[in-house]
Amino acid sequence: AQSVTQLGSHVSVSEGALVLLRCNYSSSVPPYLFWYVQYPNQGLQLLLKYTSAATLVKGINGFEAEFKKSETSFHLTKPSAHMSDAAEYFCAVSDRGRDDKIIFGKGTRLHILP
Amino acid sequence: NAGVTQTPKFQVLKTGQSMTLQCAQDMNHNSMYWYRQDPGMGLRLIYYSASEGTTDKGEVPNGYNVSRLNKREFSLRLESAAPSQTSVYFCASSVGTGGTYEQYFGPGTRLTVT
Repeated sequence: AQSVTQLGSHVSVSEGALVLLRCNYSSSVPPYLFWYVQYPNQGLQLLLKYTSAATLVKGINGFEAEFKKSETSFHLTKPSAHMSDAAEYFCAVSDRGRDDKIIFGKGTRLHILP
Repeated sequence: NAGVTQTPKFQVLKTGQSMTLQCAQDMNHNSMYWYRQDPGMGLRLIYYSASEGTTDKGEVPNGYNVSRLNKREFSLRLESAAPSQTSVYFCASSVGTGGTYEQYFGPGTRLTVT
């Protein structure tokens, strides 16, 4: 069964610094991978997704993630943090075509320090 | 388009009371989902409906029932609420089967059971 592990339930970075949120996945078949963001008191929205077209995936708001099969990782990065990036971020995985279900990680809350 | 809407936004129940959470989507999506979100636990799937007329259990179905009323609406019922069901509930929808499809989330319902 597929699963994701997000390293660090809380991450703090200074405004303007690099954002790196870590995600490792486990899947018996090549996966689809997603990053979702949740702003306070809102539902989740998709940041980006990997579906095998390219290993480096660009998303909204300047975020990107790189699929590394050898490391079973799909880390999320942004070169320069902005105060508006403060939110909770969820990595998610699904099996290709087996069913509709997406398995979410436990989330990483990103704090931006002025 | 309103996207995915949920009612109510907030609810307080006493132990043993029942209630139904309503969800509707106007994107003509085939698949719909109910999740619960608890601190440190991420999102856990309660039930889902791959298409109109079908429903399936997710990871944490005990204590809940669902109805896919039509293509637009998917309701979640708590027959006898328990304090362990205090949570934030999210409804989501996606175009169809296959894990590549993005899920669109509603704004959530905050439920407290005393």
